[in-house]
Amino acid sequence: QSALTQPRSVSGSPGQSVTISCTGTSSDVLGYTYVSWHQQHPGKAPKLMIYDVSKRPSGVPDRFSGSKSGNTASLTISGLQAEDEADYYCCSYAGSYTYVFGTGTKVTVL
Amino acid sequence: EVQLVQSGAEVKKPGESLKISCKGSGYRFTSYWIAWVRQMPGKGLEWMGIIYPGDSDTRYSPSFQGQVTISADRSITTAYLQWSSLKASDTAIYYCATSGDSSRRWFDPWGQGTLVTVSP
Repeated sequence: QSALTQPRSVSGSPGQSVTISCTGTSSDVLGYTYVSWHQQHPGKAPKLMIYDVSKRPSGVPDRFSGSKSGNTASLTISGLQAEDEADYYCCSYAGSYTYVFGTGTKVTVL
Repeated sequence: EVQLVQSGAEVKKPGESLKISCKGSGYRFTSYWIAWVRQMPGKGLEWMGIIYPGDSDTRYSPSFQGQVTISADRSITTAYLQWSSLKASDTAIYYCATSGDSSRRWFDPWGQGTLVTVSP
């Protein structure tokens, strides 16, 4: 059960869009439509941003969107804002109530 | 409102035992899975394992199987993560999070985290 692969960092200017990829295997991302994304600001607990690949919890801005193609899931932040600067982690269900997280991506707003 | 409140920071020596807790409220405790997640200093999130308090069904990541024990006490709506012999490499923040009932496959909400420091 290896960690899902994410880019170490991505960056963009305010108003731009950034996309974070999350690559897994047939045992996790490819095998299930259960990918979620979590935002973590320094010193804070993670916060759910996307679940079931592309659904947004109540209160999450619609500039956050998710998708999946094959064994790679993606999180896109459109209209980047200063408060979006944080670490982002994908998470996939891996069967039998087990899960695996991604390696994490630091988003920097230039 | 579903809430998870974790126990406070701990400072321990190598070889000591430890049990940290995560108290659930605002929902039927026996019906929601609770997971534990490790975050070592400056590192990413690692899924450790999960428990269903209703019947104590527990699953572990292969990386943590045999290294920790996850349990729950339904009478006080509290889940636990314990070590029998701590190592310096166990120094980390540990989060609990719920994935809700068996129809859900995401973690929300999360506890505030418990910092565990293991040092001679």
